[in-house]
Amino acid sequence: DGGITQSPKYLFRKEGQNVTLSCEQNLNHDAMYWYRQDPGQGLRLIYYSQIVNDFQKGDIAEGYSVSREKKESFPLTVTSAQKNPTAFYLCASSISRDDDYTFGSGTRLTVV
Amino acid sequence: KQEVTQIPAALSVPEGENLVLNCSFTDSAIYNLQWFRQDPGKGLTSLLLIQSSQREQTSGRLNASLDKSSGRSTLYIAASQPGDSATYLCAVVITGANSKLTFGKGITLSVRP
Repeated sequence: DGGITQSPKYLFRKEGQNVTLSCEQNLNHDAMYWYRQDPGQGLRLIYYSQIVNDFQKGDIAEGYSVSREKKESFPLTVTSAQKNPTAFYLCASSISRDDDYTFGSGTRLTVV
Repeated sequence: KQEVTQIPAALSVPEGENLVLNCSFTDSAIYNLQWFRQDPGKGLTSLLLIQSSQREQTSGRLNASLDKSSGRSTLYIAASQPGDSATYLCAVVITGANSKLTFGKGITLSVRP
């Protein structure tokens, strides 16, 4: 079955550590996205990529980095510069920006 | 800047009731509007996608309408069931080179048996 796989489901980060969230899709979608979800704030866009080897900052990119070396993969690194990383992170993909979005099941990141 | 509003934030109804969830957006220059469902602790499931040239879409007991000129969309759920309990999010993609999906904060629906 085609879909988006996010791993791990739960992730714990110590202060000062960088952590990487995985997002893989087998839908042959060109565009991929990372969103952050906090209680009461809705989903906010972190980074997005419309083609391989290209990506753009979203609304809250500070403290995050991404890469898009393969069409299927769009990993997100939460760096130590992100002061409040505890949140639910969602990855999505679409054929293009104008089409139906498919979401993964999310990664819940907690700072310990 | 596009803003998407969903009011109320929460809604509780008895089983069997027909209900309407509202969504409003400030910029009518959109490519499309999408409704999603989210269960607690889970990802989003796409329910309906309405292109800017369309007025409505239907899937089973769900019907979504779009009125671009007034900046409004509604999601109609017929004969609600306890299994419909979830958070429903509305999102729009605006026109332009850097268009992206912008979300409302969602409506948490509880259907009482």
